[in-house]
Amino acid sequence: GAGVSQSPRYKVAKRGQDVALRCDPISGHVSLFWYQQALGQGPEFLTYFQNEAQLDKSGLPSDRFFAERPEGSVSTLKIQRTQQEDSAVYLCASSPLLGAFARNEQFFGPGTRLTVL
Amino acid sequence: TQLLEQSPQFLSIQEGENLTVYCNSSSVFSSLQWYRQEPGEGPVLLVTVVTGGEVKKLKRLTFQFGDARKDSSLHITAAQPGDTGLYLCAGAGNYGQNFVFGPGTRLSVLP
Repeated sequence: GAGVSQSPRYKVAKRGQDVALRCDPISGHVSLFWYQQALGQGPEFLTYFQNEAQLDKSGLPSDRFFAERPEGSVSTLKIQRTQQEDSAVYLCASSPLLGAFARNEQFFGPGTRLTVL
Repeated sequence: TQLLEQSPQFLSIQEGENLTVYCNSSSVFSSLQWYRQEPGEGPVLLVTVVTGGEVKKLKRLTFQFGDARKDSSLHITAAQPGDTGLYLCAGAGNYGQNFVFGPGTRLSVLP
């Protein structure tokens, strides 16, 4: 398809397990964002990539959260030693624009719903 | 930190009615966006407003950016069941920093 895809769509983890969430952006999009959306809330910014460079990781809630985009395309968000408060929908968005302009034209994936038991 | 508030939190109306939802902040935003999100999907961008006082129309939806660029409204005329969803506003500071989403208004349009 032509849109942003994310996998898995649903993930159940036991507390303390590590998880990896994948995002396939729209081909050619240089900017990629990760957001966390808690139940009943709006998305909260986690991190931003411009190509393979992680230019902003100010939203990552702890050092258990790690994101990478090694070849400037597919991105992976990894959460180590998951906790119950990590339960949320994790959204990925890509944009053909750069920097501050990228937020004006974001295309979101369907998200991965993570449940930590 | 810039914060966005949205009201009402929930809204349930009958098909054919008009409605307005609001997005407010004490901070100035360089631009403000409205998204609609359906269950199990990511948000879909509806509009971006950048100029104070700007009004944009998208079919039955009318978006307005406040003169001071601190607030915005979304008006829907003759709502349809297909308008059901979570309406999110999002804004950025002058240099794109501090991009934040509001908590959303959950709209239900009953047939």
